[in-house]
Amino acid sequence: DAKTTQPTSMDCAEGRAANLPCNHSTISGNEYVYWYRQIHSQGPQYIIHGLKNNETNEMASLIITEDRKSSTLILPHATLRDTAVYYCIVRVVSNFGNEKLTFGTGTRLTIIP
Amino acid sequence: DGGITQSPKYLFRKEGQNVTLSCEQNLNHDAMYWYRQDPGQGLRLIYYSQIVNDFQKGDIAEGYSVSREKKESFPLTVTSAQKNPTAFYLCASSIRDSVSRGYGYTFGSGTRLTVV
Repeated sequence: DAKTTQPTSMDCAEGRAANLPCNHSTISGNEYVYWYRQIHSQGPQYIIHGLKNNETNEMASLIITEDRKSSTLILPHATLRDTAVYYCIVRVVSNFGNEKLTFGTGTRLTIIP
Repeated sequence: DGGITQSPKYLFRKEGQNVTLSCEQNLNHDAMYWYRQDPGQGLRLIYYSQIVNDFQKGDIAEGYSVSREKKESFPLTVTSAQKNPTAFYLCASSIRDSVSRGYGYTFGSGTRLTVV
């Protein structure tokens, strides 16, 4: 039931910008796009989220296309500690009207020394 | 410091035994969630609760049960009816309706359950 599509894996050289794409062509106008990452055997860590405008915080930048059908997470200067699985998620509403986050399989990002 | 605590980190049980995984949060969050993760896979939602004394089945609830008697606690019981219980279990919490309001989830560090 995942509403997002991400590449299975990506590599990025240490010190370079890592650009992780995500397609969410069925997103509704009031749904946020969330990004989390999971380092091996740990709980997922929140990175950033956005609705329409581009967003930036101390961890990353989020670029959302004007039609909102896709987005890109940018890690500006990737380090070895950024090696993780990155999940792009949009909100799902159950039949009972309760909302929840549904995680797909994400993108496995490997930072190369 | 506020946070969400799962215990124990590793758990071993014999096949056919029920086992309960603990999840406690002191973030004053209304909503709590249980996810299961298998090797190389994403997270799958087992159960979630938006408020005390109420919970909903997620995508893979069969063989699991939960309770939400207190706001701070959301224990998960893996019953003998769960055919493949060995997995990594993650608990999360959030404010109510967090997703539509632009707030994220806070995750615990997980419990790795091995059934032998």
